[in-house]
Amino acid sequence: SQTIHQWPATLVQPVGSPLSLECTVEGTSNPNLYWYRQAAGRGLQLLFYSVGIGQISSEVPQNLSASRPQDRQFILSSKKLLLSDSGFYLCAWKSKQGLGEKLFFGSGTQLSVL
Amino acid sequence: AQRVTQPEKLLSVFKGAPVELKCNYSYSGSPELFWYVQYSRQRLQLLLRHISRESIKGFTADLNKGETSFHLKKPFAQEEDSAMYYCALKGGYQKVTFGTGTKLQVIP
Repeated sequence: SQTIHQWPATLVQPVGSPLSLECTVEGTSNPNLYWYRQAAGRGLQLLFYSVGIGQISSEVPQNLSASRPQDRQFILSSKKLLLSDSGFYLCAWKSKQGLGEKLFFGSGTQLSVL
Repeated sequence: AQRVTQPEKLLSVFKGAPVELKCNYSYSGSPELFWYVQYSRQRLQLLLRHISRESIKGFTADLNKGETSFHLKKPFAQEEDSAMYYCALKGGYQKVTFGTGTKLQVIP
């Protein structure tokens, strides 16, 4: 069966420090991968998505970036964190096959930038 | 551009009362619409999708292309329905956009 792993679960980082959040999927190949940020009152904001290795679509201009070095690995990064980067980050994957395919979500990372 | 609007941040209903969570979308092509739910301390998960025309846990949602809506309905709310509900749209190029969510609170 397919599983999605996201880590770390919580992270406290100082302003100006770098960031690397990792997400991996098991049990499937060539998935679509997504990074969302969940914030109260703002819902789920799509940050990046990827349909294949090295293919990244950015939705929100900001100081975050994403990379997909392997088929089932999706990384969210920043060179210098801002206070406004605090939030709950969710990774998700979806099969490309068929209509109505659902997203499977990871357990999330709570990032606090101080 | 694709957009999902959920106008209510919070909806409080009494147990046994009908529930309607509103969702409107904007998309020029043929959309796929979904409702996701997040119960307390659980992962976000799919509730239902328009293409299946299914009823899950008593909830239904009908895609109305004329009104560009996909409202979620249940005739009799139960306490266990209390959760955060998100409407989502899959548009072109595998992009999946969510609304801001509605917190449903069912009062015993």
